[in-house]
Amino acid sequence: GAVVSQHPSWVICKSGTSVKIECRSLDFQATTMFWYRQFPKQSLMLMATSNEGSKATYEQGVEKDKFLINHASLTLSTLTVTSAHPEDSSFYICSVSRRSQETQYFGPGTRLLVL
Amino acid sequence: RKEVEQDPGPFNVPEGATVAFNCTYSNSASQSFFWYRQDCRKEPKLLMSVYSSGNEDGRFTAQLNRASQYISLLIRDSKLSDSATYLCVVSGGTSYGKLTFGQGTILTVHP
Repeated sequence: GAVVSQHPSWVICKSGTSVKIECRSLDFQATTMFWYRQFPKQSLMLMATSNEGSKATYEQGVEKDKFLINHASLTLSTLTVTSAHPEDSSFYICSVSRRSQETQYFGPGTRLLVL
Repeated sequence: RKEVEQDPGPFNVPEGATVAFNCTYSNSASQSFFWYRQDCRKEPKLLMSVYSSGNEDGRFTAQLNRASQYISLLIRDSKLSDSATYLCVVSGGTSYGKLTFGQGTILTVHP
């Protein structure tokens, strides 16, 4: 397996603020990182895929200007929820893989609550 | 139609019971298949990969039928610790290994 961390594990913020979530691959260099979102009682939905050093690829329906992804190094990717609103409240989970087609290892997730 | 469909359950079974979950997928180009387990308010964890020849890991047996686009998971001798949501996951022939998750099947094992 792999060790993946996310920070923060949970966050509560006011509507209109921006929230940054970090995903770190602690024991291998992750060429590819994925960001998922899971609403209550629903399945995980892929939001975007990021490859180190290049722009993220967003899934249909995910606003790239609202969910900013930066994958500046092989061990760190960040997701910034800009101008968060209550409907953005969700469980955000990252995953990492050595290469795009290989096994993904999930982080522990970040719970976001926007008031 | 959802790309990956599962019966959401919940399945409530006594300890020691055998329980089976089913899953269907719509993309015939899908190449890799998995069962993940997700505990309440936690991230999903890989339970096992699924192969056409079928595979077994202890009390867990997974089967894949490509012709019917159908995946199954059998749990024998259920334990209390098996209580979780079981996610059927499919990976298609994309260039970046996108995982598509089913809604999940809730299993509760009671004493």
